Amino acid sequence: GESVGLHLPTLSVQEGDNSIINCAYSNSASDYFIWYKQESGKGPQFIIDIRSNMDKRQGQRVTVLLNKTVKHLSLQIAATQPGDSAVYFCAEMLWGTSYGKLTFGQGTILTVHP
Amino acid sequence: GAVVSQHPSRVICKSGTSVKIECRSLDFQATTMFWYRQFPKQSLMLMATSNEGSKATYEQGVEKDKFLINHASLTLSTLTVTSAHPEDSSFYICSAEGREAYEQYFGPGTRLTVT
Repeated sequence: GESVGLHLPTLSVQEGDNSIINCAYSNSASDYFIWYKQESGKGPQFIIDIRSNMDKRQGQRVTVLLNKTVKHLSLQIAATQPGDSAVYFCAEMLWGTSYGKLTFGQGTILTVHP
Repeated sequence: GAVVSQHPSRVICKSGTSVKIECRSLDFQATTMFWYRQFPKQSLMLMATSNEGSKATYEQGVEKDKFLINHASLTLSTLTVTSAHPEDSSFYICSAEGREAYEQYFGPGTRLTVT
């Protein structure tokens, strides 16, 4: 149900800086992880994914790092732009038995200043 | 490709009335769709999994008689909020599963306000 008074963590950066957004996931058995970007009033937008048999994956300007030992996921955005300002969520999935059910993390508000 | 739409994008209704939200996969067929609810400044919470031709599977704490889900075709799932109350005001988001279970495509969301 609703968590009263919960506020999302925030990260404020200058345009051109690199951003690192962190996420602690909950299920050590999860084997697939995704980062989503959500702009105000819109649905989540896929950024990058990683499987549990990898510890790093790179995309265009983004890198995802996975540390299964401590159940930690991070998203690195290079040369952050004002258009990157949004809420970023990590999500985890337990393949096979959960029919693709995603469990979303808390989210981080990224604000990029020109 | 892989576009998911929702209708309406915004709806305001009076307390006690019912509201239906549609989720459509526009250019692909989706055996499985998911419904999420998102309160302001919070994360997405899965409400239910909708499977074409069968009953939906609800997450713990979600009332199936209040949130009616119908997945009558491979491109359409509907969520009906029955006897809506102000506490049901939220952002409702659907997603549709692609060819692979790990591929999920999200709709743009529906903002429900109950007065």
